[in-house]
Amino acid sequence: GENVEQHPSTLSVQEGDSAVIKCTYSDSASNYFPWYKQELGKGPQLIIDIRSNVGEKKDQRIAVTLNKTAKHFSLHITETQPEDSAVYFCAAGPDTGRRALTFGSGTRLQVQP
Amino acid sequence: GAGVSQSPSNKVTEKGKDVELRCDPISGHTALYWYRQSLGQGLEFLIYFQGNSAPDKSGLPSDRFSAERTGGSVSTLTIQRTQQEDSAVYLCASSSGVSYTDTQYFGPGTRLTVL
Repeated sequence: GENVEQHPSTLSVQEGDSAVIKCTYSDSASNYFPWYKQELGKGPQLIIDIRSNVGEKKDQRIAVTLNKTAKHFSLHITETQPEDSAVYFCAAGPDTGRRALTFGSGTRLQVQP
Repeated sequence: GAGVSQSPSNKVTEKGKDVELRCDPISGHTALYWYRQSLGQGLEFLIYFQGNSAPDKSGLPSDRFSAERTGGSVSTLTIQRTQQEDSAVYLCASSSGVSYTDTQYFGPGTRLTVL
């Protein structure tokens, strides 16, 4: 089955700096890679996703890059703000059928004002 | 509009007791998922319901875990003879699509503590 590893487990940055979170996956059949943000006391919320036919996707200050050959994908947050502080999860899975997503163990991002 | 709701928000129980956790999905969503989130871990898939199809139970960790979805809406996750290792946050998510790659909307979770 799929195995997703996520690094780092914690990340502290100064407001305005960039933050990068990296994930690797094991199943070459995986071709859907979402990222979720979980704020304290709330459920995860999808913030961006990418499919294997795309190498990079951007949405304002957030971008995700995918390297299928190396089986890794990354989340990039630019111009970080205190409200970006949360736990971020990556996930991977095939984009057909009913197989479930496999999640990484999460990264706690702290943006220092 | 109303999001996914879960109840109770917190549940403390004694080892060996049964517990029921409830999920109310977004109205009209045909897909419903249960996940478990242990401390410092990612989300672990438990079970998936899609419309009237047979549920995908491949993630249930043991036969002490079961779930049902009545009328294609509300779902209940039941854990029998709870063990301390069952302590975790149980998250429910719903989706309007037929694929798990369609956006899943999560509830706030139920924090289960087994003493």
